[in-house]
Amino acid sequence: ETGVTQTPRHLVMGMTNKKSLKCEQHLGHNAMYWYKQSAKKPLELMFVYNFKEQTENNSVPSRFSPECPNSSHLVLHLPPLQPEDSALYLCASSQEGTVGELFFGEGSRLTVL
Amino acid sequence: GQNIDQPTEMTATEGAIVQINCTYQTSGFNGLFWYQQHAGEAPTFLSYNVLDGLEEKGRFSSFLSRSKGYSYLLLKELQMKDSASYLCAVLDSNYQLIWGAGTKLIIKP
Repeated sequence: ETGVTQTPRHLVMGMTNKKSLKCEQHLGHNAMYWYKQSAKKPLELMFVYNFKEQTENNSVPSRFSPECPNSSHLVLHLPPLQPEDSALYLCASSQEGTVGELFFGEGSRLTVL
Repeated sequence: GQNIDQPTEMTATEGAIVQINCTYQTSGFNGLFWYQQHAGEAPTFLSYNVLDGLEEKGRFSSFLSRSKGYSYLLLKELQMKDSASYLCAVLDSNYQLIWGAGTKLIIKP
């Protein structure tokens, strides 16, 4: 395995159940990110972890709950969501000192019915 | 507020040259990045400019003018595989990446 891997690639959920998105990076980076990508909109930064510590939470609704068990793994816990939360959720990593050069996973396509 | 503007969609012909523009208004500037994203795939890093001028990397070049808040990505000898979205992003004074909405480039034979 190389790069950044995300699971699941596709997820359909109702407005009442709970799921999680997972991300693993195999690059030895010490910063990891969750982004939300909606059609024709700029990437929205949700969470940043540096050395496992959360450093950013850019006005994300509190219903989203991230977890960083170690510097190689990220989890995004999804409680019951709203249809407007349907989007592509991208995980990325970077090395300290090259914060703008991100390595992205292929994303988890979330559809909330 | 901070803003990145780029065209929503562009069309070009295989073998030709295309220039994708990006203008920005940000709180400070610590570099400008271009990413490529094929449909259904991860964005991948293309280029980084922090000083004025042209950076060339094979068929792709990126230009920056900090005084004008302007950059462009130049793609030469277009190939069908260049059909993708191209994302412009600026690193602001807080080292936060500010993203444009992306330009979808369609290549026609």
